[in-house]
Amino acid sequence: DGGITQSPKYLFRKEGQNVTLSCEQNLNHDAMYWYRQDPGQGLRLIYYSQIVNDFQKGDIAEGYSVSREKKESFPLTVTSAQKNPTAFYLCASSIRQADTQYFGPGTRLTVL
Amino acid sequence: SQQGEEDPQALSIQEGENATMNCSYKTSINNLQWYRQNSGRGLVHLILIRSNEREKHSGRLRVTLDTSKKSSSLLITASRAADTASYFCATDAVRRDDKIIFGKGTRLHILP
Repeated sequence: DGGITQSPKYLFRKEGQNVTLSCEQNLNHDAMYWYRQDPGQGLRLIYYSQIVNDFQKGDIAEGYSVSREKKESFPLTVTSAQKNPTAFYLCASSIRQADTQYFGPGTRLTVL
Repeated sequence: SQQGEEDPQALSIQEGENATMNCSYKTSINNLQWYRQNSGRGLVHLILIRSNEREKHSGRLRVTLDTSKKSSSLLITASRAADTASYFCATDAVRRDDKIIFGKGTRLHILP
């Protein structure tokens, strides 16, 4: 059963803590993406990766970090430097850059 | 760096009626995609139309593209309650980085 998964579904963080959001895909896609979505808003690109061991900053990378050590995995760390991290985070993958994207179910992060 | 912009921002119609959403963009594109997002979920790809195509159908969906006006429309015929969702257009601009950029979406509500 192919697809893209994100965990956890809900995540609570205290101010000053780093947290890592998981994203895994078994679609054999080269490209992976992280987006942030605020209530009633569109998607803003945080980071993307076109290939293993390579990634680029998106439009709002400050306060976030990623790694791409395996083709299947693209974890996102929300650091304490991100001043307003409460949001809905979506991971996606595609065969290549700019192809149709397949999305995970999302992680809702709340800072307490 | 918003490229696509949907109109209207929100739309409420009676079940059975047709729903039309529009997307305008700023720069030349390779293709344009439409996605649907149910509340609190990830996005689901609906349809892709290439810059050399003018119209495309998929079930109850009809998408048109007018590159001279830099606009696209998504028509959902015979709407159902299950069509209640947000709809986003995503454009793949003709530029070096080839990133897909999402608009802010149209929130569609189907009234019983």
